[in-house]
Amino acid sequence: NAGVMQNPRHLVRRRGQEARLRCSPMKGHSHVYWYRQLPEEGLKFMVYLQKENIIDESGMPKERFSAEFPKEGPSILRIQQVVRGDSAAYFCASSPVFRDTGELFFGEGSRLTVL
Amino acid sequence: GENVEQHPSTLSVQEGDSAVIKCTYSDSASNYFPWYKQELGKRPQLIIDIRSNVGEKKDQRIAVTLNKTAKHFSLHITETQPEDSAVYFCAATLNSGGYQKVTFGTGTKLQVIP
Repeated sequence: NAGVMQNPRHLVRRRGQEARLRCSPMKGHSHVYWYRQLPEEGLKFMVYLQKENIIDESGMPKERFSAEFPKEGPSILRIQQVVRGDSAAYFCASSPVFRDTGELFFGEGSRLTVL
Repeated sequence: GENVEQHPSTLSVQEGDSAVIKCTYSDSASNYFPWYKQELGKRPQLIIDIRSNVGEKKDQRIAVTLNKTAKHFSLHITETQPEDSAVYFCAATLNSGGYQKVTFGTGTKLQVIP
């Protein structure tokens, strides 16, 4: 059973470009969370999605950031017109639908560097 | 919303000593408290968890205690080893509108000195 897969693992963008980060949850998981981790800091919640639905995006900046989890394919976190402050590790996590509360399974993260 | 505070932010111990990390939470509806370990450049991984109907749980050298009344929980690592060096995150989880909402603490960087 493959774990949570994220790609790319490392991404370099120049200011003003777009970044697209992809996450495939574990098999059988239909809930996806995105977290941002700045260097030497904790995990900040960004958005929670189920298939074709954004359930909670209270942690996501209102501008330039968007997320989707289509019926087919991975979840995508999109950052438009990146700025240096977007440089961070972005972690995706998934959980199974039948659990009330339980473990989040994290991917290896995508490390975005904005030049 | 839920607020989780974690202390200390850094902790250095000699190999073989014990380490204790403490967290408090604000929402009494939280009912699941996992601890994640993140090694440098790696993903967070669950090391132990506790549910609100239990006061203590132990797994070899690590243990977690929960005081629901005071809304605090702690991670205890005994006989620390250099490979325990990592950042540890506590979290409080509650079921909100049919999904689990997870709030992480700010992390504790543990250094075990050989």
